[in-house]
Amino acid sequence: KQEVTQIPAALSVPEGENLVLNCSFTDSAIYNLQWFRQDPGKGLTSLLLIQSSQREQTSGRLNASLDKSSGRSTLYIAASQPGDSATYLCAVKAYNTDKLIFGTGTRLQVFP
Amino acid sequence: EPEVTQTPSHQVTQMGQEVILRCVPISNHLYFYWYRQILGQKVEFLVSFYNNEISEKSEIFDDQFSVERPDGSNFTLKIRSTKLEDSAMYFCASSERAVYSQPQHFGDGTRLSIL
Repeated sequence: KQEVTQIPAALSVPEGENLVLNCSFTDSAIYNLQWFRQDPGKGLTSLLLIQSSQREQTSGRLNASLDKSSGRSTLYIAASQPGDSATYLCAVKAYNTDKLIFGTGTRLQVFP
Repeated sequence: EPEVTQTPSHQVTQMGQEVILRCVPISNHLYFYWYRQILGQKVEFLVSFYNNEISEKSEIFDDQFSVERPDGSNFTLKIRSTKLEDSAMYFCASSERAVYSQPQHFGDGTRLSIL
């Protein structure tokens, strides 16, 4: 059974720092991995999607990498800003299934 | 940018009552999903829907739950007889035709509170 874990559970950093959020999954037979942002009381905003055949994806200050064989993905946030404060979730999709399996999330706080 | 919209944002219902949660997926999307998130827990998959039928459902999605696409734009989740443990944030999502290679886009959710 696929399990998705995110470390750290919470992170508080000063503005301007470069950050790395980690996501690990137990079954490497995934089709893709998606990173989301969730603001308090709000929905999930899709940030990046990495196909299993890809190593990384970039969008602005965000860069996500995928190492399928070791069951890991990282989300790199460059030059963090207070507006980046949110919970970041990763989710994996296996072959022949519709569902996303979500991680536990990392709650990020960036202070000025 | 197109988005998934959900109504209501908050629903308070007495235990045992029926509740219908509504969603308008992104217009050119063909796959629809419901997920839920109990406070403090992970987001969990409930059901997926394609071509007017359920394509996959989780063990959570028992006979108390049903989904429907009553017209060309709405996608609904019905809970027939609500229980206290149904209290959660319910998210609707949609994706384009090629489901495996396309991201799922989520709405802002409906917070369901069962009293």
